[in-house]
Amino acid sequence: GAGVSQTPSNKVTEKGKYVELRCDPISGHTALYWYRQSLGQGPEFLIYFQGTGAADDSGLPNDRFFAVRPEGSVSTLKIQRTERGDSAVYLCASSRLAGGQDTQYFGPGTRLTVL
Amino acid sequence: DAKTTQPNSMESNEEEPVHLPCNHSTISGTDYIHWYRQLPSQGPEYVIHGLTSNVNNRMASLAIAEDRKSSTLILHRATLRDAAVYYCIYDNQGGKLIFGQGTELSVKP
Repeated sequence: GAGVSQTPSNKVTEKGKYVELRCDPISGHTALYWYRQSLGQGPEFLIYFQGTGAADDSGLPNDRFFAVRPEGSVSTLKIQRTERGDSAVYLCASSRLAGGQDTQYFGPGTRLTVL
Repeated sequence: DAKTTQPNSMESNEEEPVHLPCNHSTISGTDYIHWYRQLPSQGPEYVIHGLTSNVNNRMASLAIAEDRKSSTLILHRATLRDAAVYYCIYDNQGGKLIFGQGTELSVKP
């Protein structure tokens, strides 16, 4: 079946602009996760959803970052007033349920470059 | 955040076994140990997970020490496609994965 998809695959923007990154999880997966990966580092947790609600947003770096999942499927990560330090690969993952045993399936990521 | 310790890099020859170690001395009794790998320019990919017993699947084996403070991922016959960064993770804290630096595995033909 189809895996996790993310759009766009690449996004170049200018400092101060607003961007939206989209994630389409695997159909039927109730948990959805966002991570950010800087060059040479492991992915860093940002936020995860159980259904429509954000179950844990402790990884969001500041209030410029916001994510929604209004219908419990597709999610959008929104970044306001982008800064050069926001440049990274943004990864989305989904799992059937949330919890220590469930496998997370990752998308290919969106590479964000802030000039 | 939960900390695991892995070597930064390892090398292997093609078709030979590879043993990737991981220390997780602060693991609690209910934390699962997960291994993911990340091929170049791709998202991480699940490899295997376990709690106390050794585990096998089509990709790899996971050997967990009796005290659970360390584990070893075993690739029985490395192929060039196994070249990746391998992450050892525990303490999902409700689902989120806390990645470390991982071990970059290179496979020589």
